[in-house]
Amino acid sequence: DIQMTQSPSTLSASVGDRVTITCRASQSISSWLAWYQQKPGKAPDLLIYDASNLESGVPSRFSGSGSGTEFTLTISSLQPDDFATYYCQQYNSHSPHTFGQGTKLEIK
Amino acid sequence: EVQLLESGGGLVQPGGSLRLSCAASGITFTNYAMTWVRQAPGKGLEWVSGISNSGGHTYYADSVRGRFTISRDNSKNTVYLQINSLRAEDTAIYYCAKGRYGGNSAQDYWGQGTLVTVSS
Repeated sequence: DIQMTQSPSTLSASVGDRVTITCRASQSISSWLAWYQQKPGKAPDLLIYDASNLESGVPSRFSGSGSGTEFTLTISSLQPDDFATYYCQQYNSHSPHTFGQGTKLEIK
Repeated sequence: EVQLLESGGGLVQPGGSLRLSCAASGITFTNYAMTWVRQAPGKGLEWVSGISNSGGHTYYADSVRGRFTISRDNSKNTVYLQINSLRAEDTAIYYCAKGRYGGNSAQDYWGQGTLVTVSS
């Protein structure tokens, strides 16, 4: 199975900061990667699909990049609503579509 | 408006069984793959199982293979997860999610989740 490793596990930042979260796959997944945001008590929301495509309705301050085994999610200017937990997920193959362990974005 | 409504969760003893259902509306159901994802209390997301739009292909996490069975009834716009031989570590919120396409893809709509608690 493909393993997904996110870093950091926790990130402290301030409103207005630019932040980057990294996700590494244990083998190449081409561009078959998504990023989700989850707030406490809620289902996840899709932010980015196919590594770099912004889901409809998601603010343009979110962006994704990468291919192969290295991927990043960038928030260009943090807003109060962005403090949440973020997950990457690979869907490269018919094997389990594994998630990363999550990155909790906290207010500094 | 796309809606996914899960049901069937509850309290069950170890070794017991449940069938979770997820009824979809607002979409052409036969066009999309469907997925079950779970989240144990205070933990991260775990992909559990997926099924292609036709139902011809099914996929499972190693942790549930042989105990869980995913299926769909395209005439009822519903996907199911039969969960057998339940263990304490299966305790989680189970989310149903819709794929962006009929095959492998990200999940663009999620239900509100149904809680499964395995305890004696």
